[in-house]
Amino acid sequence: DGGITQSPKYLFRKEGQNVTLSCEQNLNHDAMYWYRQDPGQGLRLIYYSQIVNDFQKGDIAEGYSVSREKKESFPLTVTSAQKNPTAFYLCASSLETGPSQPQHFGDGTRLSIL
Amino acid sequence: QQPVQSPQAVILREGEDAVINCSSSKALYSVHWYRQKHGEAPVFLMILLKGGEQKGHEKISASFNEKKQQSSLYLTASQLSYSGTYFCGTEGGRETSGSRLTFGEGTQLTVNP
Repeated sequence: DGGITQSPKYLFRKEGQNVTLSCEQNLNHDAMYWYRQDPGQGLRLIYYSQIVNDFQKGDIAEGYSVSREKKESFPLTVTSAQKNPTAFYLCASSLETGPSQPQHFGDGTRLSIL
Repeated sequence: QQPVQSPQAVILREGEDAVINCSSSKALYSVHWYRQKHGEAPVFLMILLKGGEQKGHEKISASFNEKKQQSSLYLTASQLSYSGTYFCGTEGGRETSGSRLTFGEGTQLTVNP
């Protein structure tokens, strides 16, 4: 079955450490997205990518970095510059960016500070 | 700018109806609706494009009033499975938002037996 796989499900970060969250899709979608969700709040866009080797900052990109070397993969690195990384991180994809394309979400990674 | 959803929370008994609203201060090209159950991924419900058409999905339907920059989600004869947090995601069109969604803070819906 096609879908989006995020790993790990739970992740713990030590002070000063960079961590990378994995997101893989086999839906053959062009566009991919990373969102951050804090308790009781909506989804905030961190980065998105419309095609391979290209990505744009979202609303809260500071302290995060991404790469898009393959169509099916869009890893997110939470750097030590992100001082409050504890949150639920969701990866999504859509066939292409545009107003008529639904976004399909992975099951998320829950990141906490040790 | 983030759309505003109302109400923030609603509690229903099975079989009752509910309306969830989503308003934006900016012109909208489309509105997406998603439902998220606790600890799970959001699930796509429907998209409404400019034109004010109403869409339906089983007993869940929605409308989009582009003049008022508002969308409403209608849940009729609610079922226990409808419980969750409902999010609207708005898009202003390629020329204003780069074809990406801005989500509201969500409306928590609880359906009790």
